[in-house]
Amino acid sequence: DAKTTQPTSMDCAEGRAANLPCNHSTISGNEYVYWYRQIHSQGPQYIIHGLKNNETNEMASLIITEDRKSSTLILPHATLRDTAVYYCIVRVALAGGGADGLTFGKGTHLIIQP
Amino acid sequence: SAVISQKPSRDICQRGTSLTIQCQVDSQVTMMFWYRQQPGQSLTLIATANQGSEATYESGFVIDKFPISRPNLTFSTLTVSNMSPEDSSIYLCSVEAIRGGGEAFFGQGTRLTVV
Repeated sequence: DAKTTQPTSMDCAEGRAANLPCNHSTISGNEYVYWYRQIHSQGPQYIIHGLKNNETNEMASLIITEDRKSSTLILPHATLRDTAVYYCIVRVALAGGGADGLTFGKGTHLIIQP
Repeated sequence: SAVISQKPSRDICQRGTSLTIQCQVDSQVTMMFWYRQQPGQSLTLIATANQGSEATYESGFVIDKFPISRPNLTFSTLTVSNMSPEDSSIYLCSVEAIRGGGEAFFGQGTRLTVV
């Protein structure tokens, strides 16, 4: 799986959009970009994933650059409950699930300030 | 999505003993994984739990230390054997659905402290 690079930590004001960047310059053509988050003392939570088109769901939006070498996760209206470590992971998505599990980096610790 | 139940949620164990952690999911899944999260660290994959066959272990993890069972599509156990204080971690079960898009779902984890 391709390696990802994320900032160690970020602050964002409550109610504002939180934009979390991820660099994945060695991504392969069949690799998807996945985002997970881990709120303190909980298991990781799936947020969103995409291949090359921008994606949006009830939690967030994912913007992937045209060359696919980087992406941004957007939380449109951050709340205090969004304080968590956010992980950007690149992997091949196989029918019926991935074969190799997930490789977690250190992620970005997002702190939402009141 | 899948609902995953992990037991126990936490335990304090004596060194030299073993603890078996259970993972139950509410729907049929293809892939089940076990992860370890050491204090202040990110998650590390221990092994893939294969139904009806031996688990597939990642580098640095061995079957004698972390035996895994998966008797059916919805249940798996991880045993942490002959524990030492270095095994104090959170252990997490993860699943991916048969017809999913590759997204993984995690249990709440088992917080293990070895004294």
